[in-house]
Order: sequence, then structure tokens, then C-alpha cells
Amino acid sequence: NAGVTQTPKFQVLKTGQSMTLQCAQDMNHEYMSWYRQDPGMGLRLIHYSVGAGITDQGEVPNGYNVSRSTTEDFPLRLLSAAPSQTSVYFCASSRASGGGYNEQFFGPGTRLTVL
Amino acid sequence: GQQVMQIPQYQHVQEGEDFTTYCNSSTTLSNIQWYKQRPGGHPVFLIQLVKSGEVKKQKRLTFQFGEAKKNSSLHITATQTTDVGTYFCADPWGGSQGNLIFGKGTKLSVKP
Repeated sequence: NAGVTQTPKFQVLKTGQSMTLQCAQDMNHEYMSWYRQDPGMGLRLIHYSVGAGITDQGEVPNGYNVSRSTTEDFPLRLLSAAPSQTSVYFCASSRASGGGYNEQFFGPGTRLTVL
Repeated sequence: GQQVMQIPQYQHVQEGEDFTTYCNSSTTLSNIQWYKQRPGGHPVFLIQLVKSGEVKKQKRLTFQFGEAKKNSSLHITATQTTDVGTYFCADPWGGSQGNLIFGKGTKLSVKP
């Protein structure tokens, strides 16, 4: 199993550009999430999905869109990049947890710089 | 929203010294998870605690869950340079099911 994969690893954008961060998992996990990590801020939830066709907003959703057409893929779209979106982005997945046990598996991250 | 507060933010130790990070919540937690993130890496799951007063050990790491399930701690005995990284606690039920509310983490540096 490759686990959770993310592409690209690094990206530099100019203000106003759009792009899509890719995330895929091969563990057949129902839940997938996007986090951003900024120095001193920990990890903050952007958007999440509990299954194909179902998405919802997290703590910091503004400026980002998601969709989930398959169980495997959960892309994150930046509509019009801003310097405030410079961050490290992590995708994570976990299985549905009827008993509350939902260890999350993280991808390697995408380091995004917006100039 | 629900938050988990983590202290200290930074800890610098000499190799061989012990290290402890604490996680506190204003509300009762159903369970709590701990993750480790190496410099330049991604968070990796360490453990989940579920029961009140639970204590679990992984080699030199000891994890505790408070009796009231409002706090937790991670203690490392005799730190090594391989312990360097940021340790996060996370509330698995802080948001919607399947998502984590993370503490801000404790960054550990170890001087050889």
C-alpha cells in the first residue's frame, strides 16, 4: 500500500493564480481531511469528507474548495491564491470509526508559497 | 469550539534528560490521541487513550489520561536525539466524526 499520497511536494504561485493540490489514498478509508500547518498554529482543519459525494467545512475553509467523487481521491482547490495561504498542507485519511477509534494517516504534505 | 491546550510550546533538553508535555481540555474528552512529527515530516500516530486514568507505555514513552478525562501527558525517559520533533495531542471527537482537533504541539529539541 502506498498509503496517502500528495502531489506536488512543492509549489510556488503568484497572487491570484489557482491550483489544485492532489490527495489520494489506497486504504479504502471513508474519511479524508485537509489540514494546513503554520508555525505556532498547529494543524487546522480546512475541509473534510465522510464519504464520496459528501464534504463539509472545517475551521479555516475560506479560499478553498473540495469535492470527492471517489473514495480514493480528495483534491483541494485554491481559487485565487493569496500570500496568507502560504503554508504546508496535509491530507489525511481514516476509516469510519463506530467505536471512536479513528487513527489518521497523513500524507507527506505540500509546501506552498504564494508570492 | 472545543480546544485542547498544550504546554510547553518548546522544550530544550540535554540528551539523557526526561521530557514531559501536557495536554488540557476544558471539557471531558471521549478519548485522546498523540502524534509525533519529525522535522520536515508529517504527523504520525503514536497512541490513543480511552479509559479514565489509563497509562500506556511504548519503550521510553509513557502516556497518561487523567482521571477526569480532561488532561493527558506524554513523558519520555532519557531522551535521545531520535526523539526530536513536535508532539501533538489531538481530540478525535472535537469536530465531526473522523476529524481531529489538534493542540498546538510541543517542539522538542535534544542537545547531544
